[in-house]
Amino acid sequence: GAVVSQHPSRVICKSGTSVKIECRSLDFQATTMFWYRQFPKKSLMLMATSNEGSKATYEQGVEKDKFLINHASLTLSTLTVTSAHPEDSSFYICSARGPGRGYNEQFFGPGTRLTVL
Amino acid sequence: SQKIEQNSEALNIQEGKTATLTCNYTNYSPAYLQWYRQDPGRGPVFLLLIRENEKEKRKERLKVTFDTTLKQSLFHITASQPADSATYLCAPTDSWGKFQFGAGTQVVVTP
Repeated sequence: GAVVSQHPSRVICKSGTSVKIECRSLDFQATTMFWYRQFPKKSLMLMATSNEGSKATYEQGVEKDKFLINHASLTLSTLTVTSAHPEDSSFYICSARGPGRGYNEQFFGPGTRLTVL
Repeated sequence: SQKIEQNSEALNIQEGKTATLTCNYTNYSPAYLQWYRQDPGRGPVFLLLIRENEKEKRKERLKVTFDTTLKQSLFHITASQPADSATYLCAPTDSWGKFQFGAGTQVVVTP
């Protein structure tokens, strides 16, 4: 089956610093990648959709200057949380979809736990 | 606005019994509905998908129903096992394939 990895799995940073999270599709080419965040006991909320080689599409209410997304290759997308603050602490999950597949055929990464002190 | 409701309270069930989870949605006309499993600190794992013109779908010990009139999907785990303990998420999906997750229902299966 398709495998998606995320790195790091956990990160703790000081307020005001920037944090980069990587999402990789290990055995397929991901034309589209999605980024979600999840608060404790809450549902996953779609933050943005990124297509390889083009700008990400952000969901309403998500600050694109705060959450920078880059999808430079068919196997890698990165999410950078800029000038992180404690309220950015959350569980960030990416998913990836291969070419010619519907939205439902998304494969999820294991998630990254971000804690901002 | 679109709303997805799943039982917020954990479902505690004895091993061997059937667990039934509910997913209700409003202001939605999903083309299909997906169910995922999520373990603590992990990403969701796809389980089943049921289309709007299907009443019922089965996969091993899992069964899903979809009632577009009631705007509801039921998810059943038959002969439940402790390994089934997890949070189960429903995701109504539109015809473009875009979906949102419900908050999920935690299932705890005790031996």
